Amino acid sequence: EVQLVESGGGLVQPGGSLRLSCAASGFTFSSHEMNWVRQAPGKGLEWLSYIDTGGSTTQYTDSVKGRFTISRDNAKSSLYLQMDSLRAEDTAVYFCARRGVRGVCEGFDLWGQGTMVTVSS
Amino acid sequence: EIVLTQSPATLSLSPGERATLSCRASQSVSSQLTWYQQRPGQAPRLLIYDASNRATGIPARFSGSGSGTDFTLTISSLEPEDFAVYYCQQRNKWPLTFGGGTKVEIK
Repeated sequence: EVQLVESGGGLVQPGGSLRLSCAASGFTFSSHEMNWVRQAPGKGLEWLSYIDTGGSTTQYTDSVKGRFTISRDNAKSSLYLQMDSLRAEDTAVYFCARRGVRGVCEGFDLWGQGTMVTVSS
Repeated sequence: EIVLTQSPATLSLSPGERATLSCRASQSVSSQLTWYQQRPGQAPRLLIYDASNRATGIPARFSGSGSGTDFTLTISSLEPEDFAVYYCQQRNKWPLTFGGGTKVEIK
């Protein structure tokens, strides 16, 4: 089955760290660019970060730049998000999302079910 | 960053009616505009990419149009499963950004 499964969410204190994982299966992970997107409770979607197929090019939105780090391990078909210096406003459901093949489907065509991160003392 | 403004915030319609959703960009995004649907408790689902291309498996009642700064998602005849929140997203410039969403609710 083609799917993405996030893990690693939980409760963390302000200033703490958490590492999210996204396990891919059913497709050639190394052929797809990947992204992280989050959704605060009752709010809209916020794009966070992008990584290219080889892991050499990354992009971030300003609110997480310098605090979050995206990475991938193609041998393990896994995507990661290292989150440091966490703040209350980082509380959200975090989704990993696959970018469709360039020139074929220019959108996030596969999403995980999300993992909840709660930042609170 | 490019700001996407969706309107209306909420659309109250009955099954079988036509839905017209708007997304306006603060600067041109060419045709690099994507639409997603999100049902309660679910992950978003890709509907339309590059303004007017339906993703695999998306019913023909969904259509997208526009270019530059003004875009429209049209649902020709609402089915019960179409009542959800719809988001637009641009991929023209970093950072990628989403609109605030339009909720299509049952009247």
